[in-house]
Amino acid sequence: KQEVTQIPAALSVPEGENLVLNCSFTDSAIYNLQWFRQDPGKGLTSLLLIQSSQREQTSGRLNASLDKSSGRSTLYIAASQPGDSATYLCAPLQTGGFKTIFGAGTRLFVKA
Amino acid sequence: EAQVTQNPRYLITVTGKKLTVTCSQNMNHEYMSWYRQDPGLGLRQIYYSMNVEVTDKGDVPEGYKVSRKEKRNFPLILESPSPNQTSLYFCASSLRRAQLYSPLHFGNGTRLTVT
Repeated sequence: KQEVTQIPAALSVPEGENLVLNCSFTDSAIYNLQWFRQDPGKGLTSLLLIQSSQREQTSGRLNASLDKSSGRSTLYIAASQPGDSATYLCAPLQTGGFKTIFGAGTRLFVKA
Repeated sequence: EAQVTQNPRYLITVTGKKLTVTCSQNMNHEYMSWYRQDPGLGLRQIYYSMNVEVTDKGDVPEGYKVSRKEKRNFPLILESPSPNQTSLYFCASSLRRAQLYSPLHFGNGTRLTVT
């Protein structure tokens, strides 16, 4: 059974810092891995999607990497801003059962 | 505007009173799915659908039903709601081509309270 772990569970940083959020998963049989942002009480917004054949995706200040064989993905946020404060979730899409399994998320707080 | 629309946003009901949460997408997506989100348990998949008339159970299907009669709609039905189904529910959809999937697009959520 796929298990997704996100470290750290919570993170508080001053504005301007570069930071890395980690995601690990136990089953490497995945189609893709997606990173989401969720604001309190709101829906999930897709940030980046990496197909299983890819190693990296970039969007603005965000960069996500995927090492499928070792079951790891990282989300790099450059020059963090208070508006980046949210919960970030990673979610691999399994090939077996077409299930997307979500990690518990990393709660990020960026202080002005 | 491309979107996934859920209704209602908030719902308070009583135990045993059947209810339906609607979900509609305007992106011609084949894949649709329902999740519930609970504190400490994260997001868990209830049911999903690969295409019209094709549905399958997720991790927590007990107490729920779904149907996929049209490509754009994927309603979630609670035949006899119970308090343990109080949760935040999300519908999501994505495009599927062979083994490539587009990003999951989420609705804004339905907060259900069963008393």
